[in-house]
Amino acid sequence: DVKVTQSSRYLVKRTGEKVFLECVQDMDHENMFWYRQDPGLGLRLIYFSYDVKMKEKGDIPEGYSVSREKKERFSLILESASTNQTSMYLCASSLTGLSGRGFGPGTRLTVL
Amino acid sequence: TQLLEQSPQFLSIQEGENLTVYCNSSSVFSSLQWYRQEPGEGPVLLVTVVTGGEVKKLKRLTFQFGDARKDSSLHITAAQPGDTGLYLCAGDAWAGGTSYGKLTFGQGTILTVHP
Repeated sequence: DVKVTQSSRYLVKRTGEKVFLECVQDMDHENMFWYRQDPGLGLRLIYFSYDVKMKEKGDIPEGYSVSREKKERFSLILESASTNQTSMYLCASSLTGLSGRGFGPGTRLTVL
Repeated sequence: TQLLEQSPQFLSIQEGENLTVYCNSSSVFSSLQWYRQEPGEGPVLLVTVVTGGEVKKLKRLTFQFGDARKDSSLHITAAQPGDTGLYLCAGDAWAGGTSYGKLTFGQGTILTVHP
């Protein structure tokens, strides 16, 4: 099974701070994804990447950027954190676009 | 934008009961996935269905993909407390045979099975 790890389980930041969320997968998967999960809204795609240095906007990219310098690592960056970015952030990877996603445990981010 | 509507949003039942969760859309999906998520963890893939009318069984769980590939259902027989969790369906966008790999998730069904 794919193992996806995320750098922090819980994070508290202040409004305006720059926030980095790191994600690493160990299965040599081409595709990596960042989602945010909010009650009643399901999972919403922020960004995804299908190859090193390649990225595509998801459904809610505003206020976020990403970096994929190595195949196994996909970082989500909040350039200037705001309170409406308080959420659970989930990283995932998959072998192909059609494959099931292997998710990390999530980072619960609180922006004060 | 494809939308997936899950129903019910909440389900609270006693151990041993049967239940069905529905996932509906007006859009066609090339495949549909079901996930289960426990508190504090990421979703875990249960099954992927790809053929219209397909039925897959996973122990006490039965998954069905609609003939028109617009809907799916998850049926649990004789539910157990260990089945408690958030169940999510997710559809893969259909674009003339090309998938962009952008899953659309339903809002989830929170299932609680009481001993």
